Amino acid sequence: GAVVSQHPSWVICKSGTSVKIECRSLDFQATTMFWYRQFPKQSLMLMATSNEGSKATYEQGVEKDKFLINHASLTLSTLTVTSAHPEDSSFYICSATPKGMGNQPQHFGDGTRLSIL
Amino acid sequence: GENVEQHPSTLSVQEGDSAVIKCTYSDSASNYFPWYKQELGKRPQLIIDIRSNVGEKKDQRIAVTLNKTAKHFSLHITETQPEDSAVYFCAASRGYSTLTFGKGTMLLVSP
Repeated sequence: GAVVSQHPSWVICKSGTSVKIECRSLDFQATTMFWYRQFPKQSLMLMATSNEGSKATYEQGVEKDKFLINHASLTLSTLTVTSAHPEDSSFYICSATPKGMGNQPQHFGDGTRLSIL
Repeated sequence: GENVEQHPSTLSVQEGDSAVIKCTYSDSASNYFPWYKQELGKRPQLIIDIRSNVGEKKDQRIAVTLNKTAKHFSLHITETQPEDSAVYFCAASRGYSTLTFGKGTMLLVSP
């Protein structure tokens, strides 16, 4: 149980394109979803925290107008990288915490590798 | 905010040896400490975790120890195998909320 699906798994696109990444909790409702970015050979850096029905909370240094997060339902959060540039190329991973199941650790998606040419 | 330091950054051992990775944290209110294993291009996988009311936890070849006073916790892997080769991350949080990750340790187990 507690499966988080992330789509797409790999995206290659031209500079200036906007890219949407979906994060779905398949068998549970997620109170909170987290979005991380991981550059090669580096750790996971939290970008933002999103709660269903409310605005996302962004970490310092993360541009909210560039990384749009929508958490419209308890099973889906989306991250849109607007006007992506080569420096946005990275591994983006989401995670989710179940609602109403007591304290549970975060469950991670498989990640999306984004390459901007 | 929380700051998590992790050492070493790389660790090479022979198959069958033990491996120890150490982390320190700064926020005394942190009470949840998970360890993740990440293979190249894949998601982090939770391998073991510990809460602050426990000093040690073991699961087969993997154990974690926590020293709340010194604010450090360690991952111990015994009888290492080549398939243990991966990057390991420690993390800390208050409850199951925002995780702060260490920088990672690349473990290489040679046959």
